Amino acid sequence: EVQLVESGGGLIQPGGSLRLSCAASGFTVSSNYMSWVRQAPGKGLEWVSVIYSGGSTYYADSVKGRFTISRDNSKNTLYLQMNSLRAEDTAVYYCARVDRYSGRFDYWGQGTLVTVSS
Amino acid sequence: SYVLTQPPSVSVAPGQTARITCGGNNIGSKSVHWYQQKPGQAPVLVVYDDSDRPSGIPERFSGSNSGNTATLTISRVEAGDEADYYCQVWDSSSDHRWVFGGGTKLTVL
Repeated sequence: EVQLVESGGGLIQPGGSLRLSCAASGFTVSSNYMSWVRQAPGKGLEWVSVIYSGGSTYYADSVKGRFTISRDNSKNTLYLQMNSLRAEDTAVYYCARVDRYSGRFDYWGQGTLVTVSS
Repeated sequence: SYVLTQPPSVSVAPGQTARITCGGNNIGSKSVHWYQQKPGQAPVLVVYDDSDRPSGIPERFSGSNSGNTATLTISRVEAGDEADYYCQVWDSSSDHRWVFGGGTKLTVL
Protein backbone atom coordinates (compact mmCIF):
# COMPACT_ATOMS: atom_id res chain seq x y z
CA GLU A 1 0.00 0.00 0.00
CA VAL A 2 1.30 3.44 -0.97
CA GLN A 3 1.63 5.88 1.93
CA LEU A 4 3.07 9.37 2.24
CA VAL A 5 3.55 10.92 5.67
CA GLU A 6 4.66 14.53 6.01
CA SER A 7 6.27 16.08 9.06
CA GLY A 8 8.24 19.15 10.08
CA GLY A 9 5.60 21.84 9.96
CA GLY A 10 5.11 24.39 12.70
CA LEU A 11 5.21 28.04 13.65
CA ILE A 12 8.19 29.98 12.34
CA GLN A 13 9.05 33.67 12.30
CA PRO A 14 9.36 35.60 9.03
CA GLY A 15 12.82 35.18 7.58
CA GLY A 16 13.29 31.84 9.26
CA SER A 17 13.93 28.38 7.84
CA LEU A 18 12.14 25.05 8.07
CA ARG A 19 12.63 21.63 6.56
CA LEU A 20 9.66 19.45 5.70
CA SER A 21 9.95 15.69 5.34
CA CYS A 22 7.76 13.20 3.51
CA ALA A 23 8.34 9.54 4.34
CA ALA A 24 7.16 7.20 1.63
CA SER A 25 6.24 3.53 1.79
CA GLY A 26 4.91 1.08 -0.77
CA PHE A 27 7.06 2.47 -3.59
CA THR A 28 10.54 3.90 -4.25
CA VAL A 29 10.84 7.67 -4.14
CA SER A 30 13.94 7.79 -6.33
CA SER A 31 12.19 5.93 -9.16
CA ASN A 32 9.33 8.38 -9.30
CA TYR A 33 8.57 12.05 -9.85
CA MET A 34 7.75 13.61 -6.48
CA SER A 35 6.22 16.98 -5.77
CA TRP A 36 5.17 19.44 -3.10
CA VAL A 37 1.81 21.22 -3.34
CA ARG A 38 0.59 23.80 -0.84
CA GLN A 39 -2.74 25.28 0.17
CA ALA A 40 -3.02 28.57 2.02
CA PRO A 41 -5.86 28.79 4.55
CA GLY A 42 -9.17 29.02 2.72
CA LYS A 43 -7.44 29.09 -0.67
CA GLY A 44 -6.85 26.74 -3.57
CA LEU A 45 -4.05 24.35 -4.42
CA GLU A 46 -0.70 25.71 -5.57
CA TRP A 47 2.10 23.62 -7.05
CA VAL A 48 5.44 24.36 -5.34
CA SER A 49 8.18 22.07 -6.61
CA VAL A 50 9.03 18.77 -8.30
CA ILE A 51 12.00 16.43 -8.41
CA TYR A 52 12.28 14.03 -11.32
CA SER A 53 13.60 10.50 -10.99
CA GLY A 54 16.74 11.65 -12.78
CA GLY A 55 17.28 14.35 -10.18
CA SER A 56 16.19 17.45 -12.10
CA THR A 57 14.29 19.95 -9.98
CA TYR A 58 11.80 22.70 -10.81
CA TYR A 59 10.08 25.37 -8.76
CA ALA A 60 7.16 27.75 -8.86
CA ASP A 61 8.24 31.35 -9.35
CA SER A 62 6.87 32.21 -5.89
CA VAL A 63 9.46 30.02 -4.14
CA LYS A 64 12.36 29.90 -6.61
CA GLY A 65 15.65 30.74 -4.91
CA ARG A 66 14.20 30.21 -1.43
CA PHE A 67 13.00 26.59 -1.41
CA THR A 68 14.99 23.45 -2.26
CA ILE A 69 13.52 20.03 -2.97
CA SER A 70 15.63 16.94 -2.36
CA ARG A 71 15.41 13.28 -1.45
CA ASP A 72 17.28 10.70 0.60
CA ASN A 73 17.20 7.42 -1.28
CA SER A 74 18.40 5.41 1.72
CA LYS A 75 15.48 6.70 3.78
CA ASN A 76 12.97 6.73 0.91
CA THR A 77 12.12 10.27 1.99
CA LEU A 78 11.38 13.54 0.19
CA TYR A 79 12.33 16.91 1.65
CA LEU A 80 11.54 20.57 1.19
CA GLN A 81 14.02 23.03 2.64
CA MET A 82 12.32 26.38 3.04
CA ASN A 83 14.43 29.49 3.66
CA SER A 84 13.62 33.20 3.94
CA LEU A 85 10.05 32.35 4.86
CA ARG A 86 7.34 34.93 4.38
CA ALA A 87 3.82 35.31 5.76
CA GLU A 88 2.45 34.33 2.35
CA ASP A 89 4.17 30.94 2.66
CA THR A 90 1.70 30.03 5.40
CA ALA A 91 -0.10 26.93 4.15
CA VAL A 92 -0.67 23.23 4.46
CA TYR A 93 2.10 21.53 2.50
CA TYR A 94 1.31 18.23 0.81
CA CYS A 95 3.78 15.86 -0.78
CA ALA A 96 2.49 13.89 -3.72
CA ARG A 97 3.65 11.25 -6.14
CA VAL A 98 3.47 12.34 -9.76
CA ASP A 99 2.70 10.10 -12.70
CA ARG A 100 5.56 10.79 -15.10
CA TYR A 101 3.47 10.28 -18.23
CA SER A 102 0.42 12.40 -17.52
CA GLY A 103 1.58 14.68 -14.73
CA ARG A 104 -1.26 13.69 -12.44
CA PHE A 105 -0.81 13.54 -8.67
CA ASP A 106 -1.90 9.99 -7.93
CA TYR A 107 -1.04 9.75 -4.24
CA TRP A 108 -1.05 12.48 -1.59
CA GLY A 109 0.09 12.75 1.98
CA GLN A 110 -2.14 14.14 4.72
CA GLY A 111 -0.29 17.47 4.77
CA THR A 112 1.67 19.45 7.34
CA LEU A 113 0.84 23.02 8.38
CA VAL A 114 3.45 25.75 8.17
CA THR A 115 2.60 29.04 9.84
CA VAL A 116 4.88 32.02 9.26
CA SER A 117 4.15 34.68 11.82
CA SER A 118 5.86 36.85 14.39
CA SER B 1 1.96 31.25 -17.74
CA TYR B 2 -0.98 28.95 -18.34
CA VAL B 3 -4.22 29.77 -16.51
CA LEU B 4 -7.14 27.49 -15.65
CA THR B 5 -10.50 29.10 -14.84
CA GLN B 6 -13.21 27.41 -12.77
CA PRO B 7 -16.53 28.77 -11.48
CA PRO B 8 -16.27 29.44 -7.73
CA SER B 9 -19.42 27.51 -6.95
CA VAL B 10 -21.93 25.08 -8.38
CA SER B 11 -25.15 24.00 -6.66
CA VAL B 12 -27.24 20.95 -7.48
CA ALA B 13 -30.07 18.99 -5.90
CA PRO B 14 -29.54 15.37 -4.86
CA GLY B 15 -30.05 12.97 -7.73
CA GLN B 16 -29.36 15.61 -10.36
CA THR B 17 -26.28 16.08 -12.53
CA ALA B 18 -23.50 18.51 -11.66
CA ARG B 19 -21.17 19.88 -14.31
CA ILE B 20 -18.00 21.71 -13.31
CA THR B 21 -16.07 23.45 -16.04
CA CYS B 22 -12.37 24.25 -16.38
CA GLY B 23 -11.39 26.78 -19.00
CA GLY B 24 -7.95 27.20 -20.54
CA ASN B 25 -6.41 28.21 -23.83
CA ASN B 26 -6.61 25.16 -26.12
CA ILE B 27 -7.02 22.94 -23.05
CA GLY B 28 -8.30 20.22 -25.38
CA SER B 29 -4.68 19.58 -26.37
CA LYS B 30 -3.70 18.79 -22.79
CA SER B 31 -4.49 15.99 -20.35
CA VAL B 32 -6.76 17.27 -17.60
CA HIS B 33 -7.00 15.77 -14.14
CA TRP B 34 -9.64 16.39 -11.47
CA TYR B 35 -9.37 16.23 -7.68
CA GLN B 36 -11.99 16.17 -4.96
CA GLN B 37 -11.14 17.74 -1.61
CA LYS B 38 -13.35 17.57 1.45
CA PRO B 39 -12.77 19.86 4.45
CA GLY B 40 -9.67 18.99 6.43
CA GLN B 41 -8.63 16.25 4.01
CA ALA B 42 -6.03 15.86 1.29
CA PRO B 43 -7.16 16.01 -2.34
CA VAL B 44 -8.22 12.77 -4.02
CA LEU B 45 -7.86 12.09 -7.74
CA VAL B 46 -11.31 11.38 -9.22
CA VAL B 47 -10.69 11.68 -12.98
CA TYR B 48 -7.41 11.60 -14.91
CA ASP B 49 -6.38 11.98 -18.54
CA ASP B 50 -9.61 13.86 -19.27
CA SER B 51 -12.01 10.96 -18.71
CA ASP B 52 -10.44 7.97 -16.92
CA ARG B 53 -11.33 6.99 -13.37
CA PRO B 54 -8.94 5.61 -10.76
CA SER B 55 -9.99 2.37 -9.16
CA GLY B 56 -12.53 2.92 -6.40
CA ILE B 57 -14.04 6.06 -7.93
CA PRO B 58 -17.75 5.61 -8.77
CA GLU B 59 -18.85 5.56 -12.39
CA ARG B 60 -20.97 8.60 -11.56
CA PHE B 61 -17.80 10.66 -12.03
CA SER B 62 -16.87 11.33 -15.64
CA GLY B 63 -14.95 13.87 -17.64
CA SER B 64 -14.58 15.39 -21.07
CA ASN B 65 -12.20 17.82 -22.72
CA SER B 66 -12.42 19.72 -25.98
CA GLY B 67 -11.46 23.09 -27.36
CA ASN B 68 -11.04 25.56 -24.52
CA THR B 69 -13.11 23.75 -21.90
CA ALA B 70 -12.79 20.59 -19.83
CA THR B 71 -15.77 19.37 -17.83
CA LEU B 72 -16.19 17.16 -14.78
CA THR B 73 -19.64 15.61 -14.68
CA ILE B 74 -21.10 14.04 -11.55
CA SER B 75 -24.28 12.10 -12.19
CA ARG B 76 -26.89 11.24 -9.57
CA VAL B 77 -25.27 13.60 -7.10
CA GLU B 78 -25.22 12.50 -3.46
CA ALA B 79 -24.77 14.50 -0.28
CA GLY B 80 -21.32 12.95 0.11
CA ASP B 81 -20.18 14.55 -3.15
CA GLU B 82 -20.24 17.99 -1.54
CA ALA B 83 -16.62 19.16 -1.73
CA ASP B 84 -14.16 21.41 -3.52
CA TYR B 85 -13.11 20.24 -6.98
CA TYR B 86 -9.90 21.25 -8.75
CA CYS B 87 -8.78 20.74 -12.33
CA GLN B 88 -5.06 20.42 -13.12
CA VAL B 89 -2.77 20.21 -16.12
CA TRP B 90 0.96 19.70 -16.59
CA ASP B 91 2.95 22.06 -18.76
CA SER B 92 5.89 19.84 -19.57
CA SER B 93 6.95 21.74 -22.67
CA SER B 94 9.37 24.32 -21.42
CA ASP B 95 8.65 25.45 -17.89
CA HIS B 96 7.97 22.09 -16.26
CA ARG B 97 5.04 23.55 -14.34
CA TRP B 98 1.93 22.11 -12.84
CA VAL B 99 -1.17 24.30 -12.90
CA PHE B 100 -4.35 24.07 -10.84
CA GLY B 101 -7.65 25.77 -11.42
CA GLY B 102 -8.94 27.99 -8.65
CA GLY B 103 -11.37 25.34 -7.43
CA THR B 104 -15.15 24.96 -7.45
CA LYS B 105 -17.24 24.45 -4.34
CA LEU B 106 -19.98 21.92 -5.09
CA THR B 107 -23.00 22.40 -2.84
CA VAL B 108 -25.66 19.70 -2.65
CA LEU B 109 -28.91 21.46 -1.89
